Amino acid sequence: GESVGLHLPTLSVQEGDNSIINCAYSNSASDYFIWYKQESGKGPQFIIDIRSNMDKRQGQRVTVLLNKTVKHLSLQIAATQPGDSAVYFCAVYQGAQKLVFGQGTRLTINP
Amino acid sequence: KAGVTQTPRYLIKTRGQQVTLSCSPISGHRSVSWYQQTPGQGLQFLFEYFSETQRNKGNFPGRFSGRQFSNSRSEMNVSTLELGDSALYLCASSPGVASNQPQHFGDGTRLSIL
Repeated sequence: GESVGLHLPTLSVQEGDNSIINCAYSNSASDYFIWYKQESGKGPQFIIDIRSNMDKRQGQRVTVLLNKTVKHLSLQIAATQPGDSAVYFCAVYQGAQKLVFGQGTRLTINP
Repeated sequence: KAGVTQTPRYLIKTRGQQVTLSCSPISGHRSVSWYQQTPGQGLQFLFEYFSETQRNKGNFPGRFSGRQFSNSRSEMNVSTLELGDSALYLCASSPGVASNQPQHFGDGTRLSIL
């Protein structure tokens, strides 16, 4: 089955710096990837997604990069703000509507 | 458009009891999935419903069950509660069954077993 791993359980950055959160997946047939943000006391919130026919996709202050050769994706957050403090998950589908999640990276913003 | 609504937000039960959790999906969404989130295991898939039919099930014992109603609202039930069932239970909805669209999550029901 599919497995998803995040490279760092925690990441601490200075306010205003860029953040990069990494994720690796195991199934080369995976064709759709999602990033979620989970704040304390809340459910995962959709941030951005990318399909396998793309290498890069940009949103508001966020960019997702997909490297299918090494089965790796990353989430870049530009000009990190205090409100970006949260746990970030990457997720891929394994079968009908079954999302498999990585363990998450806790992003902490230092003032 | 209102998001996914889960009730109740918090529940405290004792071992051996049973519990029913409720989920109202985003209007127009017909697929509802349930997940369990714990510090040790992370987010794990429980099951998914579409058109009142369970289409996929995760690796959980039969004590965990669910159903979906004709209006797409869903409930999950856990019988004979165990201490290890303490977790955040999350419901997510999506428009249909395509695996190329995101699921949208509610804020969950925090279940504590004493």
